[in-house]
Amino acid sequence: AQSVTQLDSHVSVSEGTPVLLRCNYSSSYSPSLFWYVQHPNKGLQLLLKYTSAATLVKGINGFEAEFKKSETSFHLTKPSAHMSDAAEYFCVVSDGNYGGSQGNLIFGKGTKLSVKP
Amino acid sequence: DAGVTQSPTHLIKTRGQQVTLRCSPKSGHDTVSWYQQALGQGPQFIFQYYEEEERQRGNFPDRFSGHQFPNYSSELNVNALLLGDSALYLCASSLYRGTYYNEQFFGPGTRLTVL
Repeated sequence: AQSVTQLDSHVSVSEGTPVLLRCNYSSSYSPSLFWYVQHPNKGLQLLLKYTSAATLVKGINGFEAEFKKSETSFHLTKPSAHMSDAAEYFCVVSDGNYGGSQGNLIFGKGTKLSVKP
Repeated sequence: DAGVTQSPTHLIKTRGQQVTLRCSPKSGHDTVSWYQQALGQGPQFIFQYYEEEERQRGNFPDRFSGHQFPNYSSELNVNALLLGDSALYLCASSLYRGTYYNEQFFGPGTRLTVL
């Protein structure tokens, strides 16, 4: 069975400093991995996705993540945090041999990112 | 272009009642998935509909059922409500294209409170 573990339930950073949100995955085959962001009272938004192409994935709003098979990790980073980045972030793995409509999404428990002025 | 829409926004029910939640997919999408997000948790997959049939189902009891209409919109029904059914219910739509990934777009959700 596939699963993801988000190692921190809450991360607090100062504006302008780097962001690191950690995620480890478990999968019996090559996974499809994603990061979603959820702002209060808004729907989930896809930040970036890894689907067995380049291991360094660039997403929206300056976020990126690196797929490391040897470490079974898919950590999310951003060089400089902005106040608008404060939100809940979910690491996600797709069920099945391929993602998309046929595969349901398996979410981690989330990491709440706080950004201090 | 309207994204995924859900109704109602909020709903309060009592134990034992039945509830119906509605979802309209993003324009051009033909697949709808439903997720339950309990407070402080990540969303959990309930089921997925494509071509008006349930294609996949997560670990949820038969009290949870759904339907997809010819216009691709969908309903989620929950019977015999329990306190533990209180959650944010999310609908996601996507376009079925065979074997490669297609992004699921999420709606803002319906907040269900069971008293």
